Amino acid sequence: EVQLLESGGALVQPGGSLRLSCAASGFMFSTYAMSWVRQAPGKGLEWVSAIGDSGANRYYADSVRGRFTVSRDNSENTLYLQMNSLRVEDTAIYYCAREEGAPVAAFHVWGQGTMVTVFS
Amino acid sequence: QSVLTQPPSVSGAPGQRVTISCTGTSSNIGAGYDVHWYQQLPGTVPKLLIYGQNKRPSGVPDRFSGSKSATSASLAITGLRAEDEADYYCQSYDNNLSGSQVFGGGTKLTVL
Repeated sequence: EVQLLESGGALVQPGGSLRLSCAASGFMFSTYAMSWVRQAPGKGLEWVSAIGDSGANRYYADSVRGRFTVSRDNSENTLYLQMNSLRVEDTAIYYCAREEGAPVAAFHVWGQGTMVTVFS
Repeated sequence: QSVLTQPPSVSGAPGQRVTISCTGTSSNIGAGYDVHWYQQLPGTVPKLLIYGQNKRPSGVPDRFSGSKSATSASLAITGLRAEDEADYYCQSYDNNLSGSQVFGGGTKLTVL
């Protein structure tokens, strides 16, 4: 069964850091680009970051560029999101998603999400 | 303010047909990029509903269809059912934003 499982969400103060993980199983992880998508409480979906299948290409939304870093370990089938200088407005459920197609990636597979709360 | 514009809400009675619009610009939908649609039932994870304008993943009924024209796209739902009540999001790519996938703000569908 194809599955994505996020972890690492927590309560953190503004200016703090967190690292999210997304463990993939049931498919050849190293052959897919991956993305992070977030959803603030009661709000819509916002694409955050993407990484190519090898990890060589990385992309960020303007709202997180310079603060967040996406990476992956294909030997461990795991995607990461390092979040630094966190702000209240980063509070959201963070989903990892498997991409298919380019340049408009379709997110065919989603994890269940992990909650990040930045409180002052 | 989302790059792609959707109506905040639409409604319809069971059995009716409803459409949800997704309006973009010349740097996204108007540039010829694909549009995908997602359904998010209350309290659940988003699910891919339509990709590449009008392809359906396995298991999505043919009551759902998509179309695209110029700088906009539409999702149509025919034979509306109570279980279709959900939030719907369109998604595309914007070449003004480096590497950026973009979502619409979402539309809440209410089945009357």
